Amino acid sequence: AQSVTQLGSHVSVSEGALVLLRCNYSSSVPPYLFWYVQYPNQGLQLLLKYTTGATLVKGINGFEAEFKKSETSFHLTKPSAHMSDAAEYFCAVTSGGGGGADGLTFGKGTHLIIQP
Amino acid sequence: DAGVTQSPTHLIKTRGQQVTLRCSPISGHKSVSWYQQVLGQGPQFIFQYYEKEERGRGNFPDRFSARQFPNYSSELNVNALLLGDSALYLCASSLVISRGHPQYFGPGTRLTVL
Repeated sequence: AQSVTQLGSHVSVSEGALVLLRCNYSSSVPPYLFWYVQYPNQGLQLLLKYTTGATLVKGINGFEAEFKKSETSFHLTKPSAHMSDAAEYFCAVTSGGGGGADGLTFGKGTHLIIQP
Repeated sequence: DAGVTQSPTHLIKTRGQQVTLRCSPISGHKSVSWYQQVLGQGPQFIFQYYEKEERGRGNFPDRFSARQFPNYSSELNVNALLLGDSALYLCASSLVISRGHPQYFGPGTRLTVL
């Protein structure tokens, strides 16, 4: 079974500061990992994904994440926070079940607050 | 191109009733998945369909069912509604059924059970 732990239900940073959102996963198979962002009253938007290959993954809106197998982590970063980054962020891992079932297992989310 | 669309946007039902939610995937996508997102939590996987067949099921009771149509659109049905079924129901589509292909989400249907 797969699981995701997001450390910190709320993270507050100043505008222009580094954003770091933490994600640790547990998976019995090589994981495929995703970060999604959810703005209020909206669905989820894909930020980036890791499947295989390069462990540093770049996504949209200046976000990137690094897959570290030894630490079972996939932390999300952005060098300089913008007010528009305020949202809920979810880390997810694929279930990878038999028959190709591809349900995502999500963490509980981290609410990112940007201070002016 | 249009993204994933869901209808209705909001829905209010009473306990014991039945509800049907609808989803149209991105054009060309053949797989549809359903998720339940309770307030303050991450989405939970309910079903995945591919080529009109159920290919994955999460830990939800038999009151939840779904189907996929020849045009790849999908419906989620929930019978005998409980207060705990109040949630945002998200539909996601992907090109094929593969762990590496990302899922793209619709805006969701907000279901309130009174």
